[in-house]
Amino acid sequence: GQQVMQIPQYQHVQEGEDFTTYCNSSTTLSNIQWYKQRPGGHPVFLIQLVKSGEVKKQKRLTFQFGEAKKNSSLHITATQTTDVGTYFCAGRDDKIIFGKGTRLHILP
Amino acid sequence: SAVISQKPSRDICQRGTSLTIQCQVDSQVTMMFWYRQQPGQSLTLIATANQGSEATYESGFVIDKFPISRPNLTFSTLTVSNMSPEDSSIYLCSVSLGPPGTQYFGPGTRLLVL
Repeated sequence: GQQVMQIPQYQHVQEGEDFTTYCNSSTTLSNIQWYKQRPGGHPVFLIQLVKSGEVKKQKRLTFQFGEAKKNSSLHITATQTTDVGTYFCAGRDDKIIFGKGTRLHILP
Repeated sequence: SAVISQKPSRDICQRGTSLTIQCQVDSQVTMMFWYRQQPGQSLTLIATANQGSEATYESGFVIDKFPISRPNLTFSTLTVSNMSPEDSSIYLCSVSLGPPGTQYFGPGTRLLVL
């Protein structure tokens, strides 16, 4: 069946360093979404990517969708303490499947 | 976007009992979803609730254990029946709005079963 794998599971970075999380699907996706969940909070929608090779930016966040529409990445430039949380990708084939998430911890 | 509320926000229950979780949305939506998120884990879809029809359950989830109601386009309930400690989790409702597949989540219900 459809699987969505996300790495790394955890990431500790110094404040100001960059951070990247990767998402890979076993099947070709119609779209991929990214969510952020703060500690104790609920997932919040960040962005959706639909087109092959698509790149979208939100301030310090850059989202990419692979050419084959089977992988995606989220890159954060110059992390800040407000970036702390778990980042989930969610790939849609015939249904939506969430990755296990990458938990980002910022060291001051 | 949508404003979604859930009740209760948290509960501690005894094994063998049942809990009904309510989800209210501030706009009419066709599809509502119920997810489970165990501590530190990802989200697992339990079922999709469409107004006017029976809910569609994902593999591993059955109606007898997780009955769902969807009486109108702004409201749904999920019941966790005959609870056991393994049901301890966060239960989230979500709705799909805007670009296809975009989901907005409620604040969640934190359930602890003793």
